[in-house]
Amino acid sequence: DAGVIQSPRHEVTEMGQEVTLRCKPISGHDYLFWYRQTMMRGLELLIYFNNNVPIDDSGMPEDRFSAKMPNASFSTLKIQPSEPRDSAVYFCASSRTSGSPDTQYFGPGTRLTVL
Amino acid sequence: EDKVVQSPLSLVVHEGDTVTLNCSYEVTNFRSLLWYKQEKKAPTFLFMLTSSGIEKKSGRLSSILDKKELFSILNITATQTGDSAVYLCAVAPQRGGKLIFGQGTELSVKP
Repeated sequence: DAGVIQSPRHEVTEMGQEVTLRCKPISGHDYLFWYRQTMMRGLELLIYFNNNVPIDDSGMPEDRFSAKMPNASFSTLKIQPSEPRDSAVYFCASSRTSGSPDTQYFGPGTRLTVL
Repeated sequence: EDKVVQSPLSLVVHEGDTVTLNCSYEVTNFRSLLWYKQEKKAPTFLFMLTSSGIEKKSGRLSSILDKKELFSILNITATQTGDSAVYLCAVAPQRGGKLIFGQGTELSVKP
């Protein structure tokens, strides 16, 4: 089975530009999570969805960040405008209610650099 | 506030050594504790523990949970250089929802 797919794998942009990160969860998984990882703050949950509905977005840093999940197989995380402090690795993860809902499977991540 | 604390933050050992990584937690509505291994890429799942005193084992890795004392340990025996990674502990306070991660233990195994 294909794992969680993220694109792009690397993104370099300039301050003020819009950045869109994409995620395809594992087929059949009904939870989707967006995380950000930095050396200083570790792995932080930004937002998560259940059945395409946002459940908890309390980790989203500010209004410059937004996330959508238009269907069960696709989600985006958008940063507009981007700032240098947004530089981090962004992970998408998914899990399913049946079986072991607490076990999240992570995608390869997108390394974002904002100059 | 829910929190997960791991110790030590970093550890350097030689091949063949045995290591013990620690994870303590303070959360409401505890459901499960998970261990992940992160090399220079995405975290990969190792174990999920829900019951006290029951050891989970996979090869040279094993883990156990103590729900009374609110901690878990991850043991790695006969370490190899390929065990070098950051080991993350996470707690699930509710079904299918968010995981609360610790800051990780960076393990370096020298040949």
